[in-house]
Parts: sequence; C-alpha cells; structure tokens
Amino acid sequence: DIVMTQSPDSLAVSLGERATINCKSSQTVLFSSNNKNYLAWYQQKPGQPPKLLIYWASTRESGVPDRFSGSGSGTDFTLTISSLQAEDVAVYYCQQSYTTPSITFGQGTRLEIK
Amino acid sequence: EVQLVESGGGLVQPGGSLRLSCVASGFTFGSYWMSWVRQAPGGRLEWVASLNQDGTEKYYVDSVKGRFTISRDNAQNSLYLQMNSLRAEDTAVYYCAKHRYDFLTRYYEYYFDFWGQGTRVPVSS
Repeated sequence: DIVMTQSPDSLAVSLGERATINCKSSQTVLFSSNNKNYLAWYQQKPGQPPKLLIYWASTRESGVPDRFSGSGSGTDFTLTISSLQAEDVAVYYCQQSYTTPSITFGQGTRLEIK
Repeated sequence: EVQLVESGGGLVQPGGSLRLSCVASGFTFGSYWMSWVRQAPGGRLEWVASLNQDGTEKYYVDSVKGRFTISRDNAQNSLYLQMNSLRAEDTAVYYCAKHRYDFLTRYYEYYFDFWGQGTRVPVSS
C-alpha cells in the first residue's frame, strides 16, 4: 500500500494569513500515461463528514473557494489556503487514488486559528 | 440535493454481526459506484469497500475480506455493508460515499464527492 504522510500534524495560523499543509506519498502517484497526479484533499469540520476540496492534485471541486489551492507532483504535494478564514478551521486529509481500489489517506492535519 | 443517510450502527460484541444501510437521494443512485469508508477514533480515514453500479464488481480492504460484504439495491436507492466476525479494531464511524464521475473522461474516479453523516460502530465486550 502507498503510505501517505502529512505534515505538520497540527498548525495554528492567524486569520488572513497563509496556511500550508504538506502530503508525501511513499511512491509516486503520477500516472505517466495521462500525466495526472492521483491525489485529492478533503476538509473535515467537527461533527461533519469529509468534504472533497481538490482532486488531480490541483483541480478545485465545484463550489470550493479559490483561496484553496493544491500543488505538487510525483510524491510531494501541498494544500495552500491563501488567506485563512474562521470557517477554515478543520482537519485536512490527503488521499491517493493511484492504487485503486486500495486507496489510502494521510493521517490528517488539524488547522486552528492562532 | 444529494443526500446519503446511514443507519444500523450500534454497540456490538467482538465476534458479532451488524448490517449497515445507506439510503441515497438527489442523484441517479444506480448509475454510480459507491463505497464505504470508516474513521477510527484516532481520526484516520480508511477505505473499506467499493461496489460498481450493478453490484458485479466488489473490492475490499484486506483487513475485512471474508468478513464484510458490500451490496446494493438500486430499486431502493440503498447501499449495504454486512459486517460479520467483528473485532475491536473495526470500531469506527462508517460513512457511505459516492464516487465522483468525470464527465470528460466518462470515468468513475476514486474521489468521493458526497458523504453521509456516518453511523458509529463500537465493538466492545
């Protein structure tokens, strides 16, 4: 199985500041035949299920604010929130779908307001 | 509006059985791949099982193979997870999740664009 490791485990950022969460896969999730990275990001607020934010490493899901962006390729990926809002307090997870159906998630990164 | 509503969770003893249900609305249920994903008390998400549109393709994480069975009833817009020989390590919130459909590639991706609220399954004596 591909192991997904996120860093940091928790993060505190001031309102309006940039938040950056990293995700590293134990092997590449870049499919050479279509040049797509099989990597998604989810947001989970307290008491709620996860919500899909980004897929293909950098494509925002419909309705997701443009302050959320994804980048990276191969084994190293980043989720960036350009200007943190209070409603962004959540746990964020990365997920690889390179080895479908055996997909795996990162351990999560808790984002709080400083 | 897409809705997924799970039920059937509850306290069960090790070795026991439970059947989870998920009722879908707001989309053409029978046209979509569906999955179960669980979240252990520590927070880690784990894919459990997936099922294609007509129920002929089923996939399971190794730790539940031979114990769990995923199924669906498209006429009832329902997804199920039969869980037998439950273990303490199966303790989790179980979510049903809809696979995202890519209209460009006409492919069902293993990204989950809608999730239910989850049903809690504690396994303990």
